[in-house]
Amino acid sequence: DAGVIQSPRHEVTEMGQEVTLRCKPISGHDYLFWYRQTMMRGLELLIYFNNNVPIDDSGMPEDRFSAKMPNASFSTLKIQPSEPRDSAVYFCASSLFGDTQYFGPGTRLTVL
Amino acid sequence: ELKVEQNPLFLSMQEGKNYTIYCNYSTTSDRLYWYRQDPGKSLESLFVLLSNGAVKQEGRLMASLDTKARLSTLHITAAVHDLSATYFCAVDGTKKSSGDKLTFGTGTRLAVRP
Repeated sequence: DAGVIQSPRHEVTEMGQEVTLRCKPISGHDYLFWYRQTMMRGLELLIYFNNNVPIDDSGMPEDRFSAKMPNASFSTLKIQPSEPRDSAVYFCASSLFGDTQYFGPGTRLTVL
Repeated sequence: ELKVEQNPLFLSMQEGKNYTIYCNYSTTSDRLYWYRQDPGKSLESLFVLLSNGAVKQEGRLMASLDTKARLSTLHITAAVHDLSATYFCAVDGTKKSSGDKLTFGTGTRLAVRP
């Protein structure tokens, strides 16, 4: 069974540009989580969904960040406009019934 | 607010030695997880501990949970180079306090040297 799939794996963009990160959770999982990892701040939860509904977005840093989950097999995290301080590795994870979270390979974002 | 602390933050071990990583958390928890992350890679689930006194073992790693002390340990036996990685504990607060989200510790970077 395929694990969590994320795309792109690497993204380099210039400040001010829009960035869209994509995630396909494990089939049948009902929870989806977006995390950001940096050396300075560690692993931070940005937002999570249950059955495609956003439950807690208190970790979203500011209005430049938005996330959607239009169906059970797809989610996006968008940053508009991007800034250099957004540079990080962004992970998507999914779980069944809120149990063990399985992480995707991550997207390494660099904003110049 | 649930806080999770790990120590040490960095651990340099000699092959063949034993050591323990500690994870303390601040409030009641439903379950506790241990994850491993290799450099430049994703997080891989190692263990989930569900109740007081729970012990799980996989190879040279053994995890335990003491809910009364709000403490989990990850014990490494006879370390080998392949165990070099960063280890995270993550705590699932009660449904009422944290919903279904995990709070991660800062991670312990383990380096096993010959």
